[in-house]
Amino acid sequence: SAVISQKPSRDICQRGTSLTIQCQVDSQVTMMFWYRQQPGQSLTLIATANQGSEATYESGFVIDKFPISRPNLTFSTLTVSNMSPEDSSIYLCSVGTGSTDTQYFGPGTRLTVL
Amino acid sequence: GENVEQHPSTLSVQEGDSAVIKCTYSDSASNYFPWYKQELGKRPQLIIDIRSNVGEKKDQRIAVTLNKTAKHFSLHITETQPEDSAVYFCAANAGGTSYGKLTFGQGTILTVHP
Repeated sequence: SAVISQKPSRDICQRGTSLTIQCQVDSQVTMMFWYRQQPGQSLTLIATANQGSEATYESGFVIDKFPISRPNLTFSTLTVSNMSPEDSSIYLCSVGTGSTDTQYFGPGTRLTVL
Repeated sequence: GENVEQHPSTLSVQEGDSAVIKCTYSDSASNYFPWYKQELGKRPQLIIDIRSNVGEKKDQRIAVTLNKTAKHFSLHITETQPEDSAVYFCAANAGGTSYGKLTFGQGTILTVHP
């Protein structure tokens, strides 16, 4: 499977600021996704990062709050904007390869907002 | 959209016993059902998956069964070991045009006592 890295691995931020999380894959992948995992909870899909076009957001998530870029088939960024303590979560990217729905996750970014 | 229910939320077994985790899904178009294991502080790791054209799949001590008619699937772990202790998540894809999107169950905390 692809090797997936995320930066930063963790961060502590002040409310009202923004943080950009990077996801890098060592090979070209068809699909890239961004998930949120709140403390002790399951994984919730934020959006599908589409290469060369705007991301597709799930219900409850909007572009102004979570802008996403995907400039090529190996890289994507998720920005958490105007953060509040409720945004404290683990943010994970995942990638899908080929023609299957199989997804592999990056190591995650643990975000704490004070 | 897809809804995935997972039970039980916690499961405690003795080493060597079997563990069974069950999930139900709502979207009859779903055709891919992965299971992920997440150890504390780690990323979710794919441990086994099944597609709707088969009823059962085994990989050493783990197996997954699927009942499409009833829209439920289960994870079976035999001869459990302390290192099986983790949170397990089931998921189902969104069929039709929502290719690649996964909806996750709420998770099961499995504890294997030595």
